[in-house]
Amino acid sequence: QSVLTQPPSVSGAPGQRVTISCTGSSSNIGAGYDVHWYQQLPGTAPKLLIYVNNNRPSGVPDRFSGSKSGTSASLAITGLQAEDEADYYCQSYDNSLSGWVFGGGTKLTVL
Amino acid sequence: QVQLVESGGGVVQPGGSLRLSCAASGFTFSSYDIHWVRQAPGKGLEWVAVISYDGSNKYFADSVRGRFTISRDNSKNTLYLQMNSLRAEDTAMYYCAKDSPGPHDSWGQGTLVTVSS
Repeated sequence: QSVLTQPPSVSGAPGQRVTISCTGSSSNIGAGYDVHWYQQLPGTAPKLLIYVNNNRPSGVPDRFSGSKSGTSASLAITGLQAEDEADYYCQSYDNSLSGWVFGGGTKLTVL
Repeated sequence: QVQLVESGGGVVQPGGSLRLSCAASGFTFSSYDIHWVRQAPGKGLEWVAVISYDGSNKYFADSVRGRFTISRDNSKNTLYLQMNSLRAEDTAMYYCAKDSPGPHDSWGQGTLVTVSS
């Protein structure tokens, strides 16, 4: 059971928009800690996708965006493409655990 | 460019020990905190440990505290993870990741640890 809760899977057709939620609590996201998102393509290491809630590293398309409100955060992907098919993880810091925590991961399928 | 290369993984019996290494290049290693993150086969990411840039502060996940130690040699641009009293549930791909600070902005390719008799 992960400290941050994500849906196990989401899907969408090419060109559509999907969102992935990340629900935390008052000891992590709700305490004001930043949320980061990672993309993990099959068989590869994770890659930073969104940092500090809604910022994109250089090279990440603007089709990817993040938001945070209260004890939750969301990742939105617009204009879905086949190459977006991957696992997506949210991350934050938890002060009751005194450590970093990840969501359980969401598998995105492009139909 | 930033490069992190893990090594030292392998097959070890329950109760055994293993030391992982992470060789860094392409950035000023001594200026950044570095993390270990693991991923069990078919499972999600789990944060394991972090060491501060100068080695003075170290933090561990509850699941490994007391069994794993983290260290670094800034003269060799290398991070280590000493894993003792290994259990089957420690079987995973182990990644080192650079702290930007905040998010993990660079990751290695991982080294696989299998704990099995």
